[in-house]
Amino acid sequence: GAGVSQSPRYKVAKRGQDVALRCDPISGHVSLFWYQQALGQGPEFLTYFQNEAQLDKSGLPSDRFFAERPEGSVSTLKIQRTQQEDSAVYLCASLRREGPNTEAFFGQGTRLTVV
Amino acid sequence: RKEVEQDPGPFNVPEGATVAFNCTYSNSASQSFFWYRQDCRKEPKLLMSVYSSGNEDGRFTAQLNRASQYISLLIRDSKLSDSATYLCVVNKGSSNTGKLIFGQGTTLQVKP
Repeated sequence: GAGVSQSPRYKVAKRGQDVALRCDPISGHVSLFWYQQALGQGPEFLTYFQNEAQLDKSGLPSDRFFAERPEGSVSTLKIQRTQQEDSAVYLCASLRREGPNTEAFFGQGTRLTVV
Repeated sequence: RKEVEQDPGPFNVPEGATVAFNCTYSNSASQSFFWYRQDCRKEPKLLMSVYSSGNEDGRFTAQLNRASQYISLLIRDSKLSDSATYLCVVNKGSSNTGKLIFGQGTTLQVKP
């Protein structure tokens, strides 16, 4: 498809389980972002990539969170030993940057529930 | 203090009303600014970019005040379909490599 694709759409994990969330960005988009969105809040920055390089991971809440984009296209966000506070929607966005014009295209998100 | 701050609302207005949302940002080096719209349980989508000179798109007008680090969005003649959460977004860093920082969002409910 032409948009950003995320999978799975929904994930229920038992506390302590590891999860992997996938993002397939729009072809040709160099920049890829991960955000975490809790109910009633705006998207909180986690990390971002320029091609395969992870330029900023300052938003990752703990060392249980890890993201990669090995070939500069598909990205995976991994959460180890999930905790209840990890429950949120995880949004991926790929960016079109044309000079000063920037537009982020978001996937539909993965809703993670840790029980 | 959050890097991008918005009044979460909700703003409840009748159809046809004019409503304004404000946003402040903390990083004076921020390069570019946007308003995104997010419908309930949907992903955010770009509403409009915000330019230094101010810009208008139909019923929507965006303004930027760099000195006060303040961004606004004005919606005229509100429609029921305008009900959504409006997210203020700041590009922190260069236009080519900066990261997008989102505010908490302001919720608008337009009533018949």
